[in-house]
Amino acid sequence: EAAVTQSPRNKVAVTGGKVTLSCNQTNNHNNMYWYRQDTGHGLRLIHYSYGAGSTEKGDIPDGYKASRPSQENFSLILELATPSQTSVYFCASGDDGTGFNTQYFGPGTRLLVL
Amino acid sequence: QQKVQQSPESLSVPEGGMASLNCTSSDRNFQYFWWYRQHSGEGPKALMSIFSDGDKKEGRFTAHLNKASLHVSLHIRDSQPSDSALYFCAPWGNYAQGLTFGLGTRVSVFP
Repeated sequence: EAAVTQSPRNKVAVTGGKVTLSCNQTNNHNNMYWYRQDTGHGLRLIHYSYGAGSTEKGDIPDGYKASRPSQENFSLILELATPSQTSVYFCASGDDGTGFNTQYFGPGTRLLVL
Repeated sequence: QQKVQQSPESLSVPEGGMASLNCTSSDRNFQYFWWYRQHSGEGPKALMSIFSDGDKKEGRFTAHLNKASLHVSLHIRDSQPSDSALYFCAPWGNYAQGLTFGLGTRVSVFP
């Protein structure tokens, strides 16, 4: 099964600080995604990428940047963290070889911004 | 308003019973409906997809799609404790963009 790992698994940050969440996939998937999960909002797409060097805005990109330096790695960057960004963040990679784009999710990063 | 409406919000089912989940999309630009399942403390995992009208069965899980009404349901037969999880519906079009998830249905299977 596809393997997606995230680091750190837990993070406490201060308001105004910079936070970088990292994601790695070992399945050579072209597509990668960042979501956040909040009670009452479900899973929402922040940024996604079609391949190394590309990033696209999702449904809620404000306050977030993304970086895809290689096929395997996709980072989510919070330049100036705010308490409203306290959430659980999931990275996913997509298998577009079959056309079905099954998405494989990582275990999540729990971020608390104080 | 949510583009994807799921009901019920939560569901308790006896072990061995049937669980029925519903999902309606307001987006007609889709080719497939996905069902994802998320156990507590884990990331979501793809359960099954359906793109044709009618039923699709995979083991104890059956999905039913009605494209005209943009409604899909998921039925879990012979529910097991391991089926206790949050179930998400996500319609998807033929592109590599991310999924739009519903808020989910929490299923609890009790002995």
